[in-house]
Amino acid sequence: KNQVEQSPQSLIILEGKNCTLQCNYTVSPFSNLRWYKQDTGRGPVSLTIMTFSENTKSNGRYTATLDADTKQSSLHITASQLSDSASYICVVSDRGSTLGRLYFGRGTQLTVWP
Amino acid sequence: EADIYQTPRYLVIGTGKKITLECSQTMGHDKMYWYQQDPGMELHLIHYSYGVNSTEKGDLSSESTVSRIRTEHFPLTLESARPSHTSQYLCASSEALQLAGGNEQYFGPGTRLTVT
Repeated sequence: KNQVEQSPQSLIILEGKNCTLQCNYTVSPFSNLRWYKQDTGRGPVSLTIMTFSENTKSNGRYTATLDADTKQSSLHITASQLSDSASYICVVSDRGSTLGRLYFGRGTQLTVWP
Repeated sequence: EADIYQTPRYLVIGTGKKITLECSQTMGHDKMYWYQQDPGMELHLIHYSYGVNSTEKGDLSSESTVSRIRTEHFPLTLESARPSHTSQYLCASSEALQLAGGNEQYFGPGTRLTVT
């Protein structure tokens, strides 16, 4: 069964600190993995995308890693800001459908305190 | 910011009412999707469309229906709302061409539906 598991479920950090979010998946055949940021009451917005051959991708203070062998990904946030408070969702796409089916994790709810 | 819009943003309605959630995109995308999301849970695909006059049911069974008469418009209708329909509904769109790296889905802001 294609699944995406994220940890931790929630995380509280102080402004300026770093944090790392984890994602494990069983989706096969694998196409790509994205990290989305979803602010409260808003739709998800893509932060990074990685395909099978990529093992790291950065977008400003966000750095995602991918280990396709162990089917694990992480999202590292550097020097956190209050605006980073949101849910971070790991999304994996399979290669087996013309639809480009997405499999969503439940997200990690990050809260940044001043 | 993606050019995909949903209205209303919030809706509180009584049981038995008929409702339509609107979704429009100005990116010319052929593929469109409806997801349902409960608090702290993953998004579940309830409907999708490959293009005009194409509609398909997703993974999660839903009593809602959709239509795709125009490329840019993908409304979702509930004929008789029930409290179990209370949820957030997210609309998304993507390009038709399936790229090697996969096509990004662009999400609207969502409609928060409460049925009393």
